[in-house]
Amino acid sequence: DAGITQSPRHKVTETGTPVTLRCHQTENHRYMYWYRQDPGHGLRLIHYSYGVKDTDKGEVSDGYSVSRSKTEDFLLTLESATSSQTSVYFCAISEPDRGREETQYFGPGTRLLVL
Amino acid sequence: DAKTTQPPSMDCAEGRAANLPCNHSTISGNEYVYWYRQIHSQGPQYIIHGLKNNETNEMASLIITEDRKSSTLILPHATLRDTAVYYCIAENYGGSQGNLIFGKGTKLSVKP
Repeated sequence: DAGITQSPRHKVTETGTPVTLRCHQTENHRYMYWYRQDPGHGLRLIHYSYGVKDTDKGEVSDGYSVSRSKTEDFLLTLESATSSQTSVYFCAISEPDRGREETQYFGPGTRLLVL
Repeated sequence: DAKTTQPPSMDCAEGRAANLPCNHSTISGNEYVYWYRQIHSQGPQYIIHGLKNNETNEMASLIITEDRKSSTLILPHATLRDTAVYYCIAENYGGSQGNLIFGKGTKLSVKP
């Protein structure tokens, strides 16, 4: 157990509504990541953070924003949810070594259904 | 795109060793090879990683060929709980896809 929790674990929402997913870690790791997983696509990186208030875009960042106001929490916000954002969302953490990201440890996931 | 090639599926008898192959012929000299697995509906679980030398931990062994173009993950005594999708990942330092690009993996089915 890498000390990562995600909330909520399941959510159903309607198109056009804002949604915020939370990732919380107890490991004090510097790097945190948000991925989405869809059939036929594997895991794809949405956004990542390399420190408090330091974030960057991943491969599929359109329609998503993130915030990291403290080390332990990384929030993913869908500004206006669309059906294409129905997915399973995974958070991950890592602690860089020698300036490179190290092994990533994943949370249990959040299943989001946008109707 | 993922820089690895894995068979889509494999079967293994319970109690026997499971040997999962992976080709990563385009890996760079300083990029690690990582193995993760994902049991249905759960988050990916880290197994092991290596650069040049063979590695072993409490979960598995990783054998990397001398030319680093391929590797094999070995689960020495597979159990039913090892049934999962196993991902071999060649580190992809830099780029918007992130350092770990997950492909389709190998679905390992451990049978009694």
